[in-house]
Amino acid sequence: ETGVTQSPTHLIKTRGQQVTLRCSSQSGHNTVSWYQQALGQGPQFIFQYYREEENGRGNFPPRFSGLQFPNYSSELNVNALELDDSALYLCASSLPRDTDTQYFGPGTRLTVL
Amino acid sequence: EDKVVQSPLSLVVHEGDTVTLNCSYEVTNFRSLLWYKQEKKAPTFLFMLTSSGIEKKSGRLSSILDKKELFSILNITATQTGDSAVYLCAVRLSNTGKLIFGQGTTLQVKP
Repeated sequence: ETGVTQSPTHLIKTRGQQVTLRCSSQSGHNTVSWYQQALGQGPQFIFQYYREEENGRGNFPPRFSGLQFPNYSSELNVNALELDDSALYLCASSLPRDTDTQYFGPGTRLTVL
Repeated sequence: EDKVVQSPLSLVVHEGDTVTLNCSYEVTNFRSLLWYKQEKKAPTFLFMLTSSGIEKKSGRLSSILDKKELFSILNITATQTGDSAVYLCAVRLSNTGKLIFGQGTTLQVKP
């Protein structure tokens, strides 16, 4: 158990819809990163938040957006869903003094039909 | 373009065998290399390596980094069925918190 939780665990949407995924970090973890993991692939970095501000972004279009709240919980929003957005979405948090080690949540499995 | 490549992509062994998983990388601004085990969903942290030649060990698992040749290996001795999982290698860049993952190696340990 990493102490990182995500909700929901599974989600089914249709093309064009919008989705919000949530992540709660461990206490004191002020950095959160989001990853997309397609079937049979390694996770791909979407973006990272540090103290409520975006602190790095991967090669994802602007319809992927995020928020981090004062309690360090986080949201990932995806607009105009496409079939290829079907994946496992993972969030990972880290301590201020150990940002190399990222602790992953169990993920949200998103299926876009 | 930064990339991490793992090999083999999949491996089937029998209990008691020793396995070696490989991870090579080509990145700018290397900071550290991490190994994770992914059984169902959440990758769980195994090792973080920053210096060449220093072996990290945890039970039957060990790992080492070669920063000159740009690779790392993960060894598992006396494998057990519970070692069956996807093993992910990731590189952390020094100018960002971004982890670049390899494709993963799927290990199946048969009784």
